[in-house]
Amino acid sequence: ETGVTQTPRHLVMGMTNKKSLKCEQHLGHNAMYWYKQSAKKPLELMFVYSLEERVENNSVPSRFSPECPNSSHLFLHLHTLQPEDSALYLCASSQAKGDYGYTFGSGTRLTVV
Amino acid sequence: QKEVEQNSGPLSVPEGAIASLNCTYSDRGSQSFFWYRQYSGKSPELIMSIYSNGDKEDGRFTAQLNKASQYVSLLIRDSQPSDSATYLCAVNSFQKLVFGTGTRLLVSP
Repeated sequence: ETGVTQTPRHLVMGMTNKKSLKCEQHLGHNAMYWYKQSAKKPLELMFVYSLEERVENNSVPSRFSPECPNSSHLFLHLHTLQPEDSALYLCASSQAKGDYGYTFGSGTRLTVV
Repeated sequence: QKEVEQNSGPLSVPEGAIASLNCTYSDRGSQSFFWYRQYSGKSPELIMSIYSNGDKEDGRFTAQLNKASQYVSLLIRDSQPSDSATYLCAVNSFQKLVFGTGTRLLVSP
């Protein structure tokens, strides 16, 4: 495996379900990110982990809960989501500070029904 | 004022022409700038980075940076239908990347 891997690629969940998105990076990076991409909106930064510590939480609703057990893995735990949470969720990694850009995973297309 | 601004397009160019994509940003302290290409339904892919004023060329792509004007551009020479995608400008501001909404490019055969 190389790069940044996200699973699952597609997810359909009901509003009362609990699910988790997984991200794994094989690049030796030490920062990881969750982004949300909705139609006709810029990429929205949700969470930043640098050296396994959460350094940013951009006023994301508590129904989204991140977890970073080590520098290679990142999870996004989902519960009691709303239909407006349907979007493409992207994981990215970088060296800390992002001076060389971010590498994105292939994303999880989430649909909340 | 948006932190990173791009014209959403679509920008339509014929095959073989030069496509010019533009981006302005608000943080004067930004030092690193990136262009990503995103095909429909796919994730963004880094295609160019630029750190100094002037031009940087890589194959058919040229990135241009003017920090005084807070302006970044991407030129695509000899545009191909396979270049049809959304191009995202990203600026490193306060140690995180801030993205524009992207410009949709359509290259017609």
